Amino acid sequence: GNSVTQMEGPVTLSEEAFLTINCTYTATGYPSLFWYVQYPGEGLQLLLKATKADDKGSNKGFEATYRKETTSFHLEKGSVQVSDSAVYFCALAVGNEKLTFGTGTRLTIIP
Amino acid sequence: DSGVTQTPKHLITATGQRVTLRCSPRSGDLSVYWYQQSLDQGLQFLIQYYNGEERAKGNILERFSAQQFPDLHSELNLSSLELGDSALYFCASSVAGGGSGPLHFGNGTRLTVT
Repeated sequence: GNSVTQMEGPVTLSEEAFLTINCTYTATGYPSLFWYVQYPGEGLQLLLKATKADDKGSNKGFEATYRKETTSFHLEKGSVQVSDSAVYFCALAVGNEKLTFGTGTRLTIIP
Repeated sequence: DSGVTQTPKHLITATGQRVTLRCSPRSGDLSVYWYQQSLDQGLQFLIQYYNGEERAKGNILERFSAQQFPDLHSELNLSSLELGDSALYFCASSVAGGGSGPLHFGNGTRLTVT
């Protein structure tokens, strides 16, 4: 079956630090990959996505590259802000199947 | 604003009771998904409806049921509630029947069972 493994949280960083949240996947087919973000008190919202190998998704300063050889889709940001504090979910979908989410990684940025 | 509306925002009830959670999808979206988010189990997919028909089923208990109405709003019914059912319940919608998204999530209903 399909599965997503994210790095365990919580992650606490100082403002302007470099962020990496690791995500690896297992899929029976050729998946599309996503990062969703959940801000406090809100539902999840799509942050970025990539649909084929070597694609780079980017949004709001965040980036993730679809690495087929390592089955990974790590989320990165060069300089985090307090407003980036949220829970981040890696997810995949194969064809028209439903999204499979990782367990989420809670990120806290301290000033 | 995602355009997905969930009511109520908070619900407190006792064990053994029954509750109904309501979701109005984003305008134009035909698919509705229900997810349960608890502290220890992350985000669990419950069920999906597409244009009134059940499309996919996840880890939904037999005590839970859902439906999607002709106006495309959906309701999730939870019965014989147990303490362990306390969680955030999210509704999401998408245009197509496939689950690959993007999904648009509501802000959730927080259910507390006492």
